[in-house]
Amino acid sequence: AQSVTQLDSHVSVSEGTPVLLRCNYSSSYSPSLFWYVQHPNKGLQLLLKYTSAATLVKGINGFEAEFKKSETSFHLTKPSAHMSDAAEYFCVVTKYNFNKFYFGSGTKLNVKP
Amino acid sequence: DAGVIQSPRHEVTEMGQEVTLRCKPISGHNSLFWYRQTMMRGLELLIYFNNNVPIDDSGMPEDRFSAKMPNASFSTLKIQPSEPRDSAVYFCASSPDREGSNQPQHFGDGTRLSIL
Repeated sequence: AQSVTQLDSHVSVSEGTPVLLRCNYSSSYSPSLFWYVQHPNKGLQLLLKYTSAATLVKGINGFEAEFKKSETSFHLTKPSAHMSDAAEYFCVVTKYNFNKFYFGSGTKLNVKP
Repeated sequence: DAGVIQSPRHEVTEMGQEVTLRCKPISGHNSLFWYRQTMMRGLELLIYFNNNVPIDDSGMPEDRFSAKMPNASFSTLKIQPSEPRDSAVYFCASSPDREGSNQPQHFGDGTRLSIL
């Protein structure tokens, strides 16, 4: 079975400091993993995806994530937070070659000036 | 390119009324998904279609909910009769479903439904 755990429901950082949003997954098979961002009153937008190629994945807006099989983790990072990064972030796992997404419960990122 | 288009963006109606939510997927995408998002339960997959055929409807809460995809460019989610606990944001998503790889889903902006 597939599942995703986002370890923090809320993260607060100051503008210009690094961002770390944590995600652990469990999967019976080689997973595909995604991070999505949701701004208020909007749909989910894809930030990046891992599908068994390079383990360090670069996404949009300066975000990246590293797939660590030994730790079953797929943490999202950004070197320097911007006010516009304040949003909710979702980690998603899916079984390779299947369409069904399993969403984490989300992490709300607050960026302080 | 146009993304996934949902209508209406907001709907407020009284309990007992029929509600119909609409979705136009991205052209060329052959998988379509309906989700519900609430504070209590987060994002829940309600139903998913592939090539207009319902593949997995195990998330549909009860018989009051039904979904159709009469063609590749249109889907509806209907609630009849509606109840206050159906209040939520309903999202539609589509993906190109290329064999051999997992494609990301592209989401619409959602329909915010309030049942009074």
